[in-house]
Amino acid sequence: AQKVTQAQTEISVVEKEDVTLDCVYETRDTTYYLFWYKQPPSGELVFLIRRNSFDEQNEISGRYSWNFQKSTSSFNFTITASQVVDSAVYFCALSPRGYSTLTFGKGTMLLVSP
Amino acid sequence: EPEVTQTPSHQVTQMGQEVILRCVPISNHLYFYWYRQILGQKVEFLVSFYNNEISEKSEIFDDQFSVERPDGSNFTLKIRSTKLEDSAMYFCASRRSTGDSYNYGYTFGSGTRLTVV
Repeated sequence: AQKVTQAQTEISVVEKEDVTLDCVYETRDTTYYLFWYKQPPSGELVFLIRRNSFDEQNEISGRYSWNFQKSTSSFNFTITASQVVDSAVYFCALSPRGYSTLTFGKGTMLLVSP
Repeated sequence: EPEVTQTPSHQVTQMGQEVILRCVPISNHLYFYWYRQILGQKVEFLVSFYNNEISEKSEIFDDQFSVERPDGSNFTLKIRSTKLEDSAMYFCASRRSTGDSYNYGYTFGSGTRLTVV
């Protein structure tokens, strides 16, 4: 069984602050994929990143960065210099290799105020 | 960029009524999914569909639910007799599969917000 835990229900920051969203996962599979999705107030799910379990190299994309640590089963997401437009619910998700369904965490609501 | 299109964006229905949610997946995709998100909660898998049949379904997907690909482009989710607890955002998703890329090209639609009154 798969499980994704996002312990932070809601985070509030002021614009330009850095913020890290935590994600801890559980799986018995040795090969799996991890995802982050953004859900803005309009409701759609916006894909941010996919990472496979073989690749522990951290990734940076503009103001976004991801820290994958297999030893602690964590896949944390950092937004640098946050902006009001970053306000959204962020979901971490897991899918084992060979299965295509996604198991989502409960999400973290990020509120960025001006 | 290709999109998964869902209609309607918002549907209100009376309890006990049948409702059909519609999705047009990306044209060269082979796998289709429905997920559900009750307001304020996490996104949950309902069902996956491949080669004109259900490949996997969750415990949520009981006899009240059915899926169909009536033609080459549409993918529908039917709820036969809606209940208040069916109120949720329903997301359609599709992906293609090439070789080992099980999780590549996984695209969600914008969702249909179903309100059962």
